[in-house]
Amino acid sequence: DAGVTQSPTHLIKTRGQQVTLRCSPKSGHDTVSWYQQALGQGPQFIFQYYEEEERQRGNFPDRFSGHQFPNYSSELNVNALLLGDSALYLCASRHSRLAYNYGYTFGSGTRLTVV
Amino acid sequence: LAKTTQPISMDSYEGQEVNITCSHNNIATNDYITWYQQFPSQGPRFIIQGYKTKVTNEVASLFIPADRKSSTLSLPRVSLSDTAVYYCLVGRLETDKLIFGTGTRLQVFP
Repeated sequence: DAGVTQSPTHLIKTRGQQVTLRCSPKSGHDTVSWYQQALGQGPQFIFQYYEEEERQRGNFPDRFSGHQFPNYSSELNVNALLLGDSALYLCASRHSRLAYNYGYTFGSGTRLTVV
Repeated sequence: LAKTTQPISMDSYEGQEVNITCSHNNIATNDYITWYQQFPSQGPRFIIQGYKTKVTNEVASLFIPADRKSSTLSLPRVSLSDTAVYYCLVGRLETDKLIFGTGTRLQVFP
């Protein structure tokens, strides 16, 4: 049973470019959240998708957008990249009804470097 | 969501019991306490969750006093592979916005 799968694992982009990160949730999970983790910091919540809609959003600018597909997979898009966007981007999934005693399942992340 | 305070780092030796305490003075009635573990270049991994008293699973124990203003994660007989960052989170079970602090960096020595 595969866990959360993220692609690519590493990515280097130039300032001003756009990037798309992808996430396949754990089998049976229907809710996907995205987090940004800067070096030495804890993950910061970006947004969460359920039923193909953004349900909740953290304190991130509109340059950060996302999408959830009918198969529950998700994409995170970041436009007009800044040097400060360099971070580990984590995807987390859960089942909308079964999170309570099992927590979220996180992927290993995509390491984005903006140069 | 309640703010949490943890020690920045802790050191231990293999075979010892490690207790990491988290302070959450403003915890709300509906908040639960959850701990995650994170290894370098990996996502956080759920360890344990509780509301009050004591919770134990195959990995750790979680002690929560009656006032719930703090909690202690207990790792029995740590090994080198327990070297990681441990995060304490508080929030409602149904929340989709996990609030991570900077965590406690545990280093286990041989």
